[in-house]
Amino acid sequence: QKEVEQNSGPLSVPEGAIASLNCTYSDRGSQSFFWYRQYSGKSPELIMFIYSNGDKEDGRFTAQLNKASQYVSLLIRDSQPSDSATYLCAQGGSEKLVFGKGTKLTVNP
Amino acid sequence: DADVTQTPRNRITKTGKRIMLECSQTKGHDRMYWYRQDPGLGLRLIYYSFDVKDINKGEISDGYSVSRQAQAKFSLSLESAIPNQTALYFCATSDLGTSYGYTFGSGTRLTVV
Repeated sequence: QKEVEQNSGPLSVPEGAIASLNCTYSDRGSQSFFWYRQYSGKSPELIMFIYSNGDKEDGRFTAQLNKASQYVSLLIRDSQPSDSATYLCAQGGSEKLVFGKGTKLTVNP
Repeated sequence: DADVTQTPRNRITKTGKRIMLECSQTKGHDRMYWYRQDPGLGLRLIYYSFDVKDINKGEISDGYSVSRQAQAKFSLSLESAIPNQTALYFCATSDLGTSYGYTFGSGTRLTVV
């Protein structure tokens, strides 16, 4: 049974700080990992994907993948109140994605 | 227009009624999925389909059925709605396996009273 674990939070950071979101996964065979942002009552929105060990940066977002330790993380630099949302981690599979339950992030002005 | 469209956006129905949620997509993706989301439980897969002749059960298919009418259309039915089926329902699509993740519809908020 593939599993993706996330700390449910809530994680609270001040505006301008770095928010660090973490995720562990059980399936060593997975090749792709995703971070989705979900505002309350809205649909998940893909913000980052990563396939290779190391870091991948896109604007204020950095995804980090460590396959040996089976974890993936998302760093949000210069956090803004508009970043307040639930962040879902997912691992790819041959048929479907496996999602974590999400971490709720609150950025305080 | 949205790439993945779900109708209705909101629905209140009575216990025992049959209800259909519809999903259509313009992305040309072969794979379509139905999820429900409940607070604290995350996204749970109900059914998924890789083409019009391929339907697969997810982890919580009991009480639900689906129909893949065309590559672009995938409907979810609740044969006899019950209150614990009150949830936010999402349709999603993917292409090339799951290498590029999913595109989600905007969701249907269903309340069963």
